[in-house]
Amino acid sequence: SQTIHQWPATLVQPVGSPLSLECTVEGTSNPNLYWYRQAAGRGLQLLFYSVGIGQISSEVPQNLSASRPQDRQFILSSKKLLLSDSGFYLCAGTGVAGAGSGTDTQYFGPGTRLTVL
Amino acid sequence: AQKVTQAQTEISVVEKEDVTLDCVYETRDTTYYLFWYKQPPSGELVFLIRRNSFDEQNEISGRYSWNFQKSTSSFNFTITASQVVDSAVYFCALSESGGSNYKLTFGKGTLLTVNP
Repeated sequence: SQTIHQWPATLVQPVGSPLSLECTVEGTSNPNLYWYRQAAGRGLQLLFYSVGIGQISSEVPQNLSASRPQDRQFILSSKKLLLSDSGFYLCAGTGVAGAGSGTDTQYFGPGTRLTVL
Repeated sequence: AQKVTQAQTEISVVEKEDVTLDCVYETRDTTYYLFWYKQPPSGELVFLIRRNSFDEQNEISGRYSWNFQKSTSSFNFTITASQVVDSAVYFCALSESGGSNYKLTFGKGTLLTVNP
């Protein structure tokens, strides 16, 4: 099965500073990759997804951007953070079908908790 | 457009009680997939189950069971003899077939608290 890595685990940044969150995937090739944000209150919001290297689809217009420089690497960035960018950021990837799961099943990383002050 | 509704925002039970988490979905597709994820306090979403729209058999895995009923567009999740470690937010999600993006539509989640 695949493993999703994210770093950093927590981050405190001032308003107006840049951001770079990284996600890498092990154990699969050519996965779909996703960035979600979870604000206080629990709902999961899909921000970006990618079906291949260099292919990024944005779900919500915002202050963030994403890039996929390698097959198993997905980066979330911002040039200038806003207070509203605070939240819990989760990376997910599809991969190998296993018992009870299909190649479309999304597996999630441990997340990055971002606080913008 | 597809939609997933988890009407129960929070549920609190005492250990060893059985508890059912409701999930109702809307989709125009005839082929789709339903999922349940668990989010413990640590934050990572843990995959629990995937069910395709052509398989209405109920699924049991240890203390967990799932009841899929297409007639009522529901995919409910039951925990038998709940334990404190079951305390988490549980998300139901829907994925439509076709295309390659495999995007999920999530419900808003149900916070389950199991008290000792």
